Amino acid sequence: QSALTQPASVSGSPGQSITISCTGTSSDVGGYNYVSWYQQHPGKAPKLMIYDVSNRPSGVSNRFSGSKSGNTASLTISGLQAEDEADYYCSSYTSSSTPKVFGGGTKLTVL
Amino acid sequence: QVQLQESGPGLVKPSQTLSLTCTVSGGSISSGSYYWSWIRQPAGKGLEWIGRIYTSGSTNYNPSLKSRVTISVDTSKNQFSLKLSSVTAADTAVYYCARDGVGATYDYWGQGTLVTVSS
Repeated sequence: QSALTQPASVSGSPGQSITISCTGTSSDVGGYNYVSWYQQHPGKAPKLMIYDVSNRPSGVSNRFSGSKSGNTASLTISGLQAEDEADYYCSSYTSSSTPKVFGGGTKLTVL
Repeated sequence: QVQLQESGPGLVKPSQTLSLTCTVSGGSISSGSYYWSWIRQPAGKGLEWIGRIYTSGSTNYNPSLKSRVTISVDTSKNQFSLKLSSVTAADTAVYYCARDGVGATYDYWGQGTLVTVSS
């Protein structure tokens, strides 16, 4: 069982917006502004999309945004495109026995 | 642009030791305040952090794997390595190496290498 909880799947139509949640505890998501989001297409390595809750690395579309409220972080993708169909993972710094933890992943389907 | 590349056997027999190396290019493994991590992903499943090393040699391991894992670094070759002993079929996965930055950030990843444990 993953330390962070994500929905198994979400879906949306092209042009719509979707939000993926990532729920942890005060020892991880809620305690630090160190949440990252990764996009993974089939057969490919994960790609960093958001870091430090809401920052985008250079080259990542501004259609991707991140936020956090309490123990839950969220990734929002606006203006959905077919190429956004992928698995998405959150990660958080944690004060537990491992320095960082992952969520279980969410499969995004673009209808 | 930093690039990482995993290398090592794709097939390991049960009870043997899995050995992988990650070669870093486009920058020195010793520059900056980075850890270097190993992460794995069984087919159809999520990401599991295995462990990490700092260029000083300081390591952290996933408690669930700690008794079987050794990560080392060779700064002269710009490489870091993973050894996982006493492997079983449950260790079959794609293994990734990644640069481990501040907070929760893995900003550069290798392409991944599939390791199958089978006799």
